[in-house]
Amino acid sequence: EIVLTQSPGTLSLSPGERATLSCRASQSVSNNYLAWYQQKPGQAPRLLIYGASSRATGIPDRFSGSGSGTDFTLTISRLEPEDFAVYYCQQYDSSPQTFGQGTKLEI
Amino acid sequence: QVQLVQSGHEVKKPGASVKVSCKASGYTFTSYGIIWVRQAPGQGLEWMGWISAYNGNTNYAQKFQGRVTMTTDTSTSAAYMELRSLRSDDTAVYYCARKPTGNAVDIWGQGTMVTVSS
Repeated sequence: EIVLTQSPGTLSLSPGERATLSCRASQSVSNNYLAWYQQKPGQAPRLLIYGASSRATGIPDRFSGSGSGTDFTLTISRLEPEDFAVYYCQQYDSSPQTFGQGTKLEI
Repeated sequence: QVQLVQSGHEVKKPGASVKVSCKASGYTFTSYGIIWVRQAPGQGLEWMGWISAYNGNTNYAQKFQGRVTMTTDTSTSAAYMELRSLRSDDTAVYYCARKPTGNAVDIWGQGTMVTVSS
């Protein structure tokens, strides 16, 4: 089973700042089958990034993903008020298709 | 539009079973898989398993093997997840989500709260 470890657990920033979230895998994720999701309270997750670096439909370009192998990063270039939420990475390379424990982005 | 609509809140006693439904619309149901994910109160996301809507093949997380059954009904474009021998730590929101082959989950249901309490 691939274990995903996200850091930091909580990130405190202000609107307009840059956010960098990390996701580290216990073994290599083939084909860069790594996704990022955003979840707000009381809502289902929303796909942001797939294939480690491709933005999903309708996702603003301030969101970007990078990385390969075991180290992946989600960057939000200039935080908007609506970006404060919990972010999860997920690998869909091998079963079980595990999630990281999440990073809470707070003001 | 593409959407997944899940059944409503369930309250069950320990030892009982629950069956959650997930009705798809706006796309060709058999061209995608469905995954089930759960989220305990205040906790993260937990992948439970996957079912192919094309041929019914399944892949369950080891943790749920023997206790979960995922099925689909192509005539109604619906997926189902049954969890048996419920315990209090099964209390969670259960999500279904659309899984394209070789790609990330892209559409989520609204979630179904399952409460297990005596």
